[in-house]
Amino acid sequence: NAGVTQTPKFQVLKTGQSMTLQCAQDMNHEYMSWYRQDPGMGLRLIHYSVGAGITDQGEVPNGYNVSRSTTEDFPLRLLSAAPSQTSVYFCASTPRPTSSYEQYFGPGTRLTVT
Amino acid sequence: GQQVMQIPQYQHVQEGEDFTTYCNSSTTLSNIQWYKQRPGGHPVFLIQLVKSGEVKKQKRLTFQFGEAKKNSSLHITATQTTDVGTYFCAGPKAAGNKLTFGGGTRVLVKP
Repeated sequence: NAGVTQTPKFQVLKTGQSMTLQCAQDMNHEYMSWYRQDPGMGLRLIHYSVGAGITDQGEVPNGYNVSRSTTEDFPLRLLSAAPSQTSVYFCASTPRPTSSYEQYFGPGTRLTVT
Repeated sequence: GQQVMQIPQYQHVQEGEDFTTYCNSSTTLSNIQWYKQRPGGHPVFLIQLVKSGEVKKQKRLTFQFGEAKKNSSLHITATQTTDVGTYFCAGPKAAGNKLTFGGGTRVLVKP
């Protein structure tokens, strides 16, 4: 199993551009989530999904969209990039449709918005 | 909203010494999870505590969940250079699906 994979590893965007961060898992996990990590602020939940077709907002959802058309994939879309979205983005998954289990994290995407 | 605070933010430890990092939630948690993130890496799950007052050990690491399920601690004995990294606690509110992470304790080990 590849586990949780994320692409790209690095990305530079200009203000106003849009892009999609990809996340995929091959463990048949039901719960998937996106976090952003900024220095000194830990990880903050952007969006999460408890299964295909179901998504919900986390604590910092503004400026981001998600969809979950399959169990395996959970892409994160930046609608109009802003410098405040410069961060490291982690995707995570867990076997059950709840956050109360071990989270498996992907390697992360380092995004810079200029 | 729910807040999870960790102290200290930074911990400089002499190799061989012990230290403790603390995690405090503003709300009751259904469980507490601990993760370790090495510099440049991603968070890796260490352990989960579920019961009030629960204590679990992993070699030199001892984890404790408070009686009120609002706080937790991680104690590391005889610190080694391999312990370098940031330790995060995280917990969902009771019956919640949003996992809230603390800000982390960054551990630096002096050889």
